[in-house]
Amino acid sequence: QQPVQSPQAVILREGEDAVINCSSSKALYSVHWYRQKHGEAPVFLMILLKGGEQKGHEKISASFNEKKQQSSLYLTASQLSYSGTYFCGTESPPNTGNQFYFGTGTSLTVIP
Amino acid sequence: KAGVTQTPRYLIKTRGQQVTLSCSPISGHRSVSWYQQTPGQGLQFLFEYFSETQRNKGNFPGRFSGRQFSNSRSEMNVSTLELGDSALYLCASSSRDRGSEQYFGPGTRLTVT
Repeated sequence: QQPVQSPQAVILREGEDAVINCSSSKALYSVHWYRQKHGEAPVFLMILLKGGEQKGHEKISASFNEKKQQSSLYLTASQLSYSGTYFCGTESPPNTGNQFYFGTGTSLTVIP
Repeated sequence: KAGVTQTPRYLIKTRGQQVTLSCSPISGHRSVSWYQQTPGQGLQFLFEYFSETQRNKGNFPGRFSGRQFSNSRSEMNVSTLELGDSALYLCASSSRDRGSEQYFGPGTRLTVT
């Protein structure tokens, strides 16, 4: 049930773009995205809900394909501060257990 | 608003002992979730409490238990510690209307020797 993320790791130069994908084998109610820097707790980036609602930071965009149970996080014009491990988290529909699963993680490194 | 706080931050225990970790959520948040983070297994869901009731539970043995108090503070207990329980234990609070973001505490680093 753990969502699978791709790529596992990516290295970017400042200003480059990146896409991180998250794929689940189960029907989803929502997809969350978090970033964790080394030695710190995960920090909320964005939520995408079934039906199209989104909540999150202005500079980050993401998509949620409900039929394919997939989500993608788009990082544009990357900055050094974007470095960290990105996790997607998936929430199942009501009355189906409601467990929250974090994905396998994507390590993103931005270099000057 | 004050963030999520966890105590203690670091803990060293011996195999066979038990441990209790504490989490104070953001004021007004009624949901507290617990996660175990290890390099090999990543972030794994332990359980969620909402208004003093366990609402969801992950796939962990019964040695892992928790509770939530009327002020939403939560405790997690691990009995009969094993070496494999060494991990960073994170708690997260949310308003937990479905689809609400989670705010994480700094975690408790547990080392079992």
